[in-house]
Amino acid sequence: KAGVTQTPRYLIKTRGQQVTLSCSPISGHRSVSWYQQTPGQGLQFLFEYFSETQRNKGNFPGRFSGRQFSNSRSEMNVSTLELGDSALYLCASSLDGMIWSGSYEQYFGPGTRLTVT
Amino acid sequence: GENVEQHPSTLSVQEGDSAVIKCTYSDSASNYFPWYKQELGKRPQLIIDIRSNVGEKKDQRIAVTLNKTAKHFSLHITETQPEDSAVYFCAARLALQPLVFGKGTRLSVIA
Repeated sequence: KAGVTQTPRYLIKTRGQQVTLSCSPISGHRSVSWYQQTPGQGLQFLFEYFSETQRNKGNFPGRFSGRQFSNSRSEMNVSTLELGDSALYLCASSLDGMIWSGSYEQYFGPGTRLTVT
Repeated sequence: GENVEQHPSTLSVQEGDSAVIKCTYSDSASNYFPWYKQELGKRPQLIIDIRSNVGEKKDQRIAVTLNKTAKHFSLHITETQPEDSAVYFCAARLALQPLVFGKGTRLSVIA
C-alpha cells in the first residue's frame, strides 16, 4: 500500500497570505490528524477528522481550519499567516482511530515545510 | 487534559550499549502509548506501541515497559547501532482523545 502523502512538500508565503495544505491517507484509513512540529514545541495537535467530521480540535486560533472529503483526503487551511506559523505540518492517518477496535496506529506523512516571511 | 513529560532531552551512548528513554503521563485513564522515531528530515515512524492491559512488549532490540501505578513508560534499545541515532517521541492517549506527545529525546550513538 502507498503511504500517507502530503502536498506540497515545501511552501514559502508572506505574512497575511493564506495557505492550503493537502493530505492523502493510506488507502482504507478513515481518520486523519494534523500536527504542527516546531523545534521548541515539538508535535502539537491541530485537529482530527473522521468520516468528514471534525472529531477533535487542538488549542490553535481560528485561523487554522481543516476539512475532510468523502474519499478521506484532508486539507488544512491557515489564513492571515504570521511569522510564528513557520513550521513542519504533518498529517497522520489511522484506520478509524478507536482504541477498542485495535486500529489506532497512526502513520505519518512526510510533512509540508511552511516558511512565512 | 493529558500531559506527557519525556526525559532526557538528549542522550549519547557508545555503540553496543543500551539506551533508555522515560516518559510520564498525567491522566491515569490513558490507555495507548506509542513510540515514534524521527530521523533528520524524515517523517516520524511508529516503532513500537503498548496498551494499558500489557506491562511489556518487545520487538527485536527494542522494548517498551509500562507502569500504570506510577504512570510512566519507558523505551529500551539494546545493542545500539549508529542507525539508531534519531529523535524519539513518546505519546499517550485517552479513548476518543488525540495523541499527546512528549517533547522528544535526541539519541546519538557514537561509533
